[in-house]
Amino acid sequence: EIVLTQSPDTLSLSPGESATLSCRASQRVSDNYLAWYQQKPGQTPRLLIYGASTRATGVPGRFSGSGSGTDFTLTISGLEPEDFVIYYCQQYSTSARTFGPGTRLDI
Amino acid sequence: QLQLEESGGGLVKPGGSLTISCAVSGFSLRDYYMSWIRQAPGKGLEWLASINGYNGNTEYADSVKGRFIMSRDNAKSSVSLQLESLSADDTAIYYCTRDNLVSGFDVWGQGTTVTVSS
Repeated sequence: EIVLTQSPDTLSLSPGESATLSCRASQRVSDNYLAWYQQKPGQTPRLLIYGASTRATGVPGRFSGSGSGTDFTLTISGLEPEDFVIYYCQQYSTSARTFGPGTRLDI
Repeated sequence: QLQLEESGGGLVKPGGSLTISCAVSGFSLRDYYMSWIRQAPGKGLEWLASINGYNGNTEYADSVKGRFIMSRDNAKSSVSLQLESLSADDTAIYYCTRDNLVSGFDVWGQGTTVTVSS
């Protein structure tokens, strides 16, 4: 199975700053089938980015994804207070889907 | 409106079994894969199983292979997950998701909680 590693575990920033979250795969993610999800406390995860760089419907433009192969990045430009939650990457290029362990964004 | 609604969670004793279900509305089950994902208290997300809505083919995570069985009923627009030989490590919120081959898990249910305790 493809193992995903996210870094950092926790990222401490302030509103207005930009965040760069990393996701590294143990092997190539074909077709860039890499997604990012946001999870707020007590809520269901929400799809933010799919295909490594395509924003899901309704996702603000401050969220952007990039990368290919084994290295992927989620960038949040101009952090809003509601962005300080947990983010997971996930690959769906193999039938055995896998998630990264998550990055917590702290104020 | 795309909607997934899980049911069937509850308290079960170690070694016991439980079946959780997910009612699908707003799209045809036949056209999509569906997956179950769980989240243990304070932990991350774990994909468990997926099913091809067209032909019923299934795939399982190694952690649950042989203990969990996923099925679907296209006529009733529902998917189920049969959980067996449960232990405390299976305590989690179980989410039903639409597994879109192009865009990942794009529709999520609210989850159903399974607690394994004596």
